[in-house]
Amino acid sequence: DGGITQSPKYLFRKEGQNVTLSCEQNLNHDAMYWYRQDPGQGLRLIYYSQIVNDFQKGDIAEGYSVSREKKESFPLTVTSAQKNPTAFYLCASSDRLTGEELFFGSGTQLSVL
Amino acid sequence: GENVEQHPSTLSVQEGDSAVIKCTYSDSASNYFPWYKQELGKRPQLIIDIRSNVGEKKDQRIAVTLNKTAKHFSLHITETQPEDSAVYFCAASMVGGGADGLTFGKGTHLIIQP
Repeated sequence: DGGITQSPKYLFRKEGQNVTLSCEQNLNHDAMYWYRQDPGQGLRLIYYSQIVNDFQKGDIAEGYSVSREKKESFPLTVTSAQKNPTAFYLCASSDRLTGEELFFGSGTQLSVL
Repeated sequence: GENVEQHPSTLSVQEGDSAVIKCTYSDSASNYFPWYKQELGKRPQLIIDIRSNVGEKKDQRIAVTLNKTAKHFSLHITETQPEDSAVYFCAASMVGGGADGLTFGKGTHLIIQP
């Protein structure tokens, strides 16, 4: 999967339920990102992290939470406060020391039951 | 924050013709402008990028131009081929200035007609 793995590929959420999307990378990148992709809306930044144990809100952080306990892992939790969670979620990473190119995972499609 | 506008949302061209996609950005401090290609069902991948210290960059059939004064940049694809059909995203960011994460345009669906 090109060094960055997202799971699951498809996920269904019930009303009032929190769900967690997994993102793991073995590229030794410091920076990791979560984007939300909606048809016709492009990619919008949810959260990003430049270093372990630190993360920052992006443009649409409400209803989401993240953690960065390990360099390799950056899980995203979609909470019940996110009223419109149906979207395609993309995780990405970059090596800020050598360049700004984002390497994306293959994505998770989240739908509401 | 940064705002990136991208046009057109859909572009249909005949195979062999050229395609041009245009983007504008709002933050004059932005200095890095990449373009990503996303084929159907696949992840976005970087195809070319440009920094604010140059006005044009080419890589075989693709080129990007940047006008810092007008705050717009464009992607040019010449001699289009069927495999160029995809959604293309422009983006902007300020590298080294404290801001992080790319701001993307809404995408252009490029259709190559045989």
